[in-house]
Amino acid sequence: GAVVSQHPSRVICKSGTSVKIECRSLDFQATTMFWYRQFPKKSLMLMATSNEGSKATYEQGVEKDKFLINHASLTLSTLTVTSAHPEDSSFYICSARFPEAQDSETQYFGPGTRLLVL
Amino acid sequence: DQQVKQNSPSLSVQEGRISILNCDYTNSMFDYFLWYKKYPAEGPTFLISISSIKDKNEDGRFTVFLNKSAKHLSLHIVPSQPGDSAVYFCAATFTGNQFYFGTGTSLTVIP
Repeated sequence: GAVVSQHPSRVICKSGTSVKIECRSLDFQATTMFWYRQFPKKSLMLMATSNEGSKATYEQGVEKDKFLINHASLTLSTLTVTSAHPEDSSFYICSARFPEAQDSETQYFGPGTRLLVL
Repeated sequence: DQQVKQNSPSLSVQEGRISILNCDYTNSMFDYFLWYKKYPAEGPTFLISISSIKDKNEDGRFTVFLNKSAKHLSLHIVPSQPGDSAVYFCAATFTGNQFYFGTGTSLTVIP
């Protein structure tokens, strides 16, 4: 079955530095990927929709200059947290929409990346 | 390979009847399981969870059952309401550091 991987699985960084998280679809081409952030009550907040070859669409309240998303290929999307601060510490999850069902909500999720900013 | 599977991509149920959503997993190390509900263009919302030390957890109309020997998880919604129409994802985790999600089941509750 299709798998979406994320790298790294866990990262600790100093405040003010930038961190890049990769999301890869391992055996299918994902034209659309999504980035989520998990909050303490476990729900996932949609941050942005990443479309291959075009600019990401950010949800209201998400700073596009702080959370840089690049979807350079059909199998890779990256999220860069720039000038990270402790309040950015969270669990970030990506997902990829089924390639053959562009209108479907069903998705393949990555395992997540835990970011801790000191 | 997918460690958490939802083999039914869609399900239709009459209002008032029971909805049963199923989820299978392969990794016996998972110790915590969750169900999420997702509306279009939103992030998945946490619905209900269960620890591996239990076999049932109930919250209002929602009940999650865990069968560890079969590595099977199910979510029961009784009675089903039109507002329950959404995509439901199951997820599993161990150590709480990584989540493994199923691919989702789209539930339609017919009025």
